[in-house]
Amino acid sequence: SQKIEQNSEALNIQEGKTATLTCNYTNYSPAYLQWYRQDPGRGPVFLLLIRENEKEKRKERLKVTFDTTLKQSLFHITASQPADSATYLCALFGNEKLTFGTGTRLTIIP
Amino acid sequence: DAGVIQSPRHEVTEMGQEVTLRCKPISGHNSLFWYRQTMMRGLELLIYFNNNVPIDDSGMPEDRFSAKMPNASFSTLKIQPSEPRDSAVYFCASSSRTGLGRAEAFFGQGTRLTVV
Repeated sequence: SQKIEQNSEALNIQEGKTATLTCNYTNYSPAYLQWYRQDPGRGPVFLLLIRENEKEKRKERLKVTFDTTLKQSLFHITASQPADSATYLCALFGNEKLTFGTGTRLTIIP
Repeated sequence: DAGVIQSPRHEVTEMGQEVTLRCKPISGHNSLFWYRQTMMRGLELLIYFNNNVPIDDSGMPEDRFSAKMPNASFSTLKIQPSEPRDSAVYFCASSSRTGLGRAEAFFGQGTRLTVV
C-alpha cells in the first residue's frame, strides 16, 4: 500500500542551526512533491514544490531535495529562527490525489 | 481575494444530529478538496471535485458522509447522523488545477467539529 512517512513526530533545533526534515514514501511514483507549513489552529500553507526531474529547489532560507531513487525528500531550514516553529507536512500527488504525510512538529529553541 | 472561507469555525453537536460544513473556494479555482485532520490519522483526503464534479470520494469514511458542490463557489460536507468519532478538524482546500500536483492547494481555516 502507498505510504508517506515523515521521520519524526517532533524535532527540537537550536536557533541558528539548520533544521532537516525527512519525507519517505513507498509505492508512489510522484511527478511532484510539495511541502507545507501548519501553525496551530490554522490550515496548512504551501511552501515549495519540487518536480521529479529537479534535484533541488531553494526559496530564501528553505531548501528541498528530491531523490526518486531513494524515494525521499529532505527539507532544510537554514539559520533557523523561533518563528520557524511549526508543523511541516510533505505531500505527494499520485493516483489523482494530493496525499499528506503525518507531519513533523519543529521547535526552534532560542 | 479573501482565500478559502469555511464556516462555521467551530461546531459542537450531539451524537445523532446532522452537521453541515460549508466552504467557499478561491474564485477561479477549479479543484476543491475536503480533508479531515486528527492527531491519530493526520490529514486525510475525504473527497475532491474538479469543475464541480466529484472525482474521487474513496476517502469518505461511510455513507453517513456526503459532499456536494452545486456551483463553482460553494461546497458542503454533511454528516448524518454524526458520531463522537467524527470529531476532528475538517479542512476545505482549493487549487487551480492544470495537473493537481503542479498547483499548490490553498486551505481554509478549518472547522473544528466536536460530537458529544
